[in-house]
Amino acid sequence: DAGVTQSPTHLIKTRGQQVTLRCSPISGHKSVSWYQQVLGQGPQFIFQYYEKEERGRGNFPDRFSARQFPNYSSELNVNALLLGDSALYLCASSSDTNQETQYFGPGTRLLVL
Amino acid sequence: SQQGEEDPQALSIQEGENATMNCSYKTSINNLQWYRQNSGRGLVHLILIRSNEREKHSGRLRVTLDTSKKSSSLLITASRAADTASYFCATEGTSGTYKYIFGTGTRLKVLA
Repeated sequence: DAGVTQSPTHLIKTRGQQVTLRCSPISGHKSVSWYQQVLGQGPQFIFQYYEKEERGRGNFPDRFSARQFPNYSSELNVNALLLGDSALYLCASSSDTNQETQYFGPGTRLLVL
Repeated sequence: SQQGEEDPQALSIQEGENATMNCSYKTSINNLQWYRQNSGRGLVHLILIRSNEREKHSGRLRVTLDTSKKSSSLLITASRAADTASYFCATEGTSGTYKYIFGTGTRLKVLA
């Protein structure tokens, strides 16, 4: 089975622009979480979605939003990009039977110039 | 903000030696997990230990948890060059939000 996939792998944007990142969970996984990882630090929790509903939100501004589709894939949107939004954005999925274990995708590396 | 703090920040050892890294956290937890990350890419789940467990093994990995000290340790025995990576602890709080808080990571380098 395919693991968690994310697209694109790399992205370059300029300040003020908007970006959409995409994630496809492992088949059968209904929960998707998003994390931001700034260089040299651990991942920071942004959102978790389960069955298309937001189940958790981290300490990120309203410029960050997400949604989950009926096929459980997810998008993370960031508006009005700032230089500080440059990071690796990670998506993770988990199953109903083992919600504690998260399976991570390879990430999308975003550079804001 | 980071919940966990790993110690040391960086560790360099020879192949075949054991590597020990520690994690401290701040609030009550349901469980604590360790992840490995190679070259700034996706994280790989290594092991989960629940708050009512004190020690757990998986292959060459041994994890301990001391909830009274709010700390955990990860021991990798007989290290290999392929173990070179960053290692993170992640905690799930007791509030049921499924919100995992990651530590700052330990960068392990195993020299062949």
